[in-house]
Amino acid sequence: DQQVKQNSPSLSVQEGRISILNCDYTNSMFDYFLWYKKYPAEGPTFLISISSIKDKNEDGRFTVFLNKSAKHLSLHIVPSQPGDSAVYFCAASGIGGGSNYKLTFGKGTLLTVNP
Amino acid sequence: KAGVTQTPRYLIKTRGQQVTLSCSPISGHRSVSWYQQTPGQGLQFLFEYFSETQRNKGNFPGRFSGRQFSNSRSEMNVSTLELGDSALYLCASSTQDPSYEQYFGPGTRLTVT
Repeated sequence: DQQVKQNSPSLSVQEGRISILNCDYTNSMFDYFLWYKKYPAEGPTFLISISSIKDKNEDGRFTVFLNKSAKHLSLHIVPSQPGDSAVYFCAASGIGGGSNYKLTFGKGTLLTVNP
Repeated sequence: KAGVTQTPRYLIKTRGQQVTLSCSPISGHRSVSWYQQTPGQGLQFLFEYFSETQRNKGNFPGRFSGRQFSNSRSEMNVSTLELGDSALYLCASSTQDPSYEQYFGPGTRLTVT
């Protein structure tokens, strides 16, 4: 039972354009969401997070949007740069509902930004 | 601060053997989590340790085990290796509760032949 779903295995965009990566979740106990970026031969690195009390969080070129009613979040990268080419993982956890000391990850989306 | 370190980085084993992977968390971090990454499966949670106690365990067979030492360093062990155990094993550390941000090591690439 996959509780965090990233339905697009890959995404290709042109440099300078917007990249939108999507993530859906099924567990209503999730109330904290994160995005990680992973380059080959490296571990994932934290990018940005959002709590369920917010619907938007921004950090430079990266913005995460949360739609709780739809159980959907998205990561926007504007403008996209070739160095953003990586696998992006969406992750979720339960905080307010009681932490179970883990993050649940999606399967990832490979973003390719073409020069 | 030094990041999360994992040793070895690469390992080749034969079916039926056992393997031990090591993880040193960021200094001051007391929570260590382990994940298995295989192509197309994302990161699957193995277990989490805090102060030498396992607080959560993922849906993996009993061949997968782990422990944490008093200095927060952690090891995971896989016994009776199967071909399907070939994967990237990632360790992550956090201060107290890994439900928030975790910091990952580079991983150990295990190949079972």
